[in-house]
Amino acid sequence: DIQMTQSPSTLSASVGDRVTITCRASQSISSWLAWYQQKPGKAPKLLIYKASSLESGVPSRFSGSGSGTGFTLTITSLQPDDFATYYCQQYNTYPATFGQGTKVEIK
Amino acid sequence: EVQLVESGGGLVQPGGSLRLSCAASGFMFSSYDMHWVRQATGKGLEWVSGFGTAGHTYYADSVKGRFTISGENARNSLYLQMNSLRAGDTAVYYCARALVGITRTNWYFDLWGRGTLVTVSS
Repeated sequence: DIQMTQSPSTLSASVGDRVTITCRASQSISSWLAWYQQKPGKAPKLLIYKASSLESGVPSRFSGSGSGTGFTLTITSLQPDDFATYYCQQYNTYPATFGQGTKVEIK
Repeated sequence: EVQLVESGGGLVQPGGSLRLSCAASGFMFSSYDMHWVRQATGKGLEWVSGFGTAGHTYYADSVKGRFTISGENARNSLYLQMNSLRAGDTAVYYCARALVGITRTNWYFDLWGRGTLVTVSS
């Protein structure tokens, strides 16, 4: 299975900060990567698919980039609603696998 | 409203069985691959099983031979029959609607239910 590694595991930031989360795949996955946001006790929510395509209804302060084995999720101007855990997921190779998550905390 | 609602979770002893259900509404259930993804408390997400529109089934190695996924288009419902349950199966189980990537066996998930908790303990 393809291993997905996210960094950092935890990130402390303030409202208005620019935040970047990294996701690395153990082998090339082209651009077949999705990003999800999860709040405590809630289901994950799709933010980005195919590495950089914004899901309908997701604020434009979220963006994704990368290809091959390295990817980033960027949140420009962090908002109070953005404090959550973020997961990447590859869907290039069966089975789909997720990163371990990055928790964005209030600084 | 477009939504998925899971049910059927609970406390079960090791070696026992449980059947999860997922009721879909607001979209054409038969047009989508549907999956189960689980999350142990405080842990990350783990894909468990998938049901394709043509009836194909897919399983993670960790549940193969113990879990059976099925779908019922007439009832807009997805099921997961879980047998020979282990402590390691303890998790919140999410039902998720899948969109296909480069091939029919590559998915990402655009709609999730709120989950149902399965606890395997004596």
